[in-house]
Amino acid sequence: AQKITQTQPGMFVQEKEAVTLDCTYDTSDQSYGLFWYKQPSSGEMIFLIYQGSYDEQNATEGRYSLNFQKARKSANLVISASQLGDSAMYFCAMREGQGAGFQKLVFGTGTRLLVSP
Amino acid sequence: DGGITQSPKYLFRKEGQNVTLSCEQNLNHDAMYWYRQDPGQGLRLIYYSQIVNDFQKGDIAEGYSVSREKKESFPLTVTSAQKNPTAFYLCASSMWTGNNQPQHFGDGTRLSIL
Repeated sequence: AQKITQTQPGMFVQEKEAVTLDCTYDTSDQSYGLFWYKQPSSGEMIFLIYQGSYDEQNATEGRYSLNFQKARKSANLVISASQLGDSAMYFCAMREGQGAGFQKLVFGTGTRLLVSP
Repeated sequence: DGGITQSPKYLFRKEGQNVTLSCEQNLNHDAMYWYRQDPGQGLRLIYYSQIVNDFQKGDIAEGYSVSREKKESFPLTVTSAQKNPTAFYLCASSMWTGNNQPQHFGDGTRLSIL
C-alpha cells in the first residue's frame, strides 16, 4: 500500500520569507510521481508542481521548488518569497499504478499555510 | 477557456433521496475522477473512468454510482445507501498519456443533509 504523510497541520510564515512544507511517502514501486496542489478557501485544487521518480533534477515552477530526496522518500515543497495569496491548504499526492494514463492519486492530509504581513 | 465545471456548488439531500452531481470538462481529457473530501482530511477516490463507457471503483465507492456516456461528462450519483454523504466533492480530469500529466480539478460541490 502506498501512503503520503504530511506531518505539519499548520505553518506560519511572514510575507517575503521562504517556507518548506514537508511530505514523506511510502511505496515499493520504482516508478512513481509526486504532485503538490494548493487549495484556497474557495475549494478548488490548483496544481503547483510535479516530480517524477526518475527525474534527476529537482522540479521548479516559478516560486515553487521541490526538494526531492529519493533515498529518504521525501518530497518537500519550498515556496520562496511568500505572498499573502499563498495562504491556503497544500496537499502532497503520489501517483499510484503503472502504465500510460493510469493516474490514481493518493493524497496526504494537507498542511495549512498562513502568510502574515 | 478550457476547464472543468461542477454543478451545483451547494446541494442539500433529504433522507432516502438520491442526488446527482454534475461534472463537465472541455479539456478533451480521456480520464475523469471523483473525489470526496472530509474536513481535515485529504481527498479520497470514489470512482474513475479512463474511457467512455468504462469506469472503475476507487477506495470508497459504496453508496455511489457513476456513468460515462460522453467523453465530456462524468456525473456522480449519491444514493440513499450512502449513510454519511455530507462532504465536499471534487471532480477531476487528466490526459490519458504521460505519467507527469496533472489532474485538473473543478471548483467542487458541497453536499449537506437536510
